[in-house]
Amino acid sequence: EVQLVESGGGLVQPGGSLRLSCAASGFTFSSYWMSWVRQAPGKGLEWVANIKQDGSEKYYVDSVKGRFTISRDNAKNSLYLQMNSLRAEDTAVYYCARVWAVAGTGPFHYWGQGTLVTVSS
Amino acid sequence: EIVLTQSPDFQSVTPKEKVTITCRASQSIGSSLHWYQQKPDQSPKLLIKYASQSFSGVPSRFSGSGSGTDFTLTINSLEAEDAATYYCHQSSSLPRTFGQGTKVEIK
Repeated sequence: EVQLVESGGGLVQPGGSLRLSCAASGFTFSSYWMSWVRQAPGKGLEWVANIKQDGSEKYYVDSVKGRFTISRDNAKNSLYLQMNSLRAEDTAVYYCARVWAVAGTGPFHYWGQGTLVTVSS
Repeated sequence: EIVLTQSPDFQSVTPKEKVTITCRASQSIGSSLHWYQQKPDQSPKLLIKYASQSFSGVPSRFSGSGSGTDFTLTINSLEAEDAATYYCHQSSSLPRTFGQGTKVEIK
């Protein structure tokens, strides 16, 4: 059974940093692109970042470029999101998601349960 | 950036009624359009991939159609458990984008 379990969320002050983790199991983690998708309270879904199987390609939504870094450790079956210079508008539930196709295209096939990040003083 | 616009934003429907949700893309995306269902306090779940391909385990009352810029999600004979927010999503280009969501309420 595929499982994605996020952790690392919490309350952080504006300008602060946080590192999210996603532990993957039930599939060959190193074979798939992975993503982070977020959802502000009461709002819709927003794609944040993608990372290729070997970490050689990374893509971000404009609003987080230069502040967030996506990474992965295939030996540990883990995905990460380092978030720096956090702003109130980054407050959201952050989901880890596996992309459908090995090529990195297609839908988000599996989703974690999410971890809440709250940016507030 | 490809903008996805869903309509309606909200729909209140009686059980067994048919529900139709549309998603319009700001430019052609071929069939790279996918639909998700999200119930309160749950993660989104994939319903339909590549515009019309049903995802494994999804009830047959859910179907999708369309290509290019206009897409439709249809729920035939709505059931109480279908109360949720539905999102479309495009994987044609970066940044990946989602529609704003359509909330379906059961009368």
